[in-house]
Amino acid sequence: DADVTQTPRNRITKTGKRIMLECSQTKGHDRMYWYRQDPGLGLRLIYYSFDVKDINKGEISDGYSVSRQAQAKFSLSLESAIPNQTALYFCATSDFNNGLQFFGPGTRLTVL
Amino acid sequence: AQSVTQPDIHITVSEGASLELRCNYSYGATPYLFWYVQSPGQGLQLLLKYFSGDTLVQGIKGFEAEFKRSQSSFNLRKPSVHWSDAAEYFCAVGVPSNDYKLSFGAGTTVTVRA
Repeated sequence: DADVTQTPRNRITKTGKRIMLECSQTKGHDRMYWYRQDPGLGLRLIYYSFDVKDINKGEISDGYSVSRQAQAKFSLSLESAIPNQTALYFCATSDFNNGLQFFGPGTRLTVL
Repeated sequence: AQSVTQPDIHITVSEGASLELRCNYSYGATPYLFWYVQSPGQGLQLLLKYFSGDTLVQGIKGFEAEFKRSQSSFNLRKPSVHWSDAAEYFCAVGVPSNDYKLSFGAGTTVTVRA
């Protein structure tokens, strides 16, 4: 079984809709991250959480919100989706304070 | 804050030939350095990492990388490329002053021709 899972894997939605992407991990890590990947831009950090009570904005948090429901679960929400949020979204986890992160398989989101 | 540059957007290499992917970083001290690979339709897989010590690092799938402090570089190499190495490769850095959050390069896409 995968250590970091993401649901859904693919999603097509319309402008203005609310959508939630979910991430679960069985690695027992405290730290979780949400990234988006766009061609030619690499991965950019949206939000991160160092424990259940800790939520922090990344470099591109506008238009997104997150919820850390438990150590193992970290959800990303788009309250009102817009087309330029079409991207590949990755969840990641890390344990030790050294940057070593483990990634989920990604969610491909298309906003029409 | 740290930053990462991968100068090559796309590289095409023949199967069996050697491969080198360039990575340069900007940071005042030695960061933690990583190479990840993303195969089509897949997530990111860690190839190798450098924290300290020996500057030549061995990774999975026959890859190695060399940290050169004087050049602020962490280039990835493979002596003989296989068709399955066709993928996108990302260099990333983490630093203690930024809670070791990773900054990623834009990626290099590798195409392998028969």
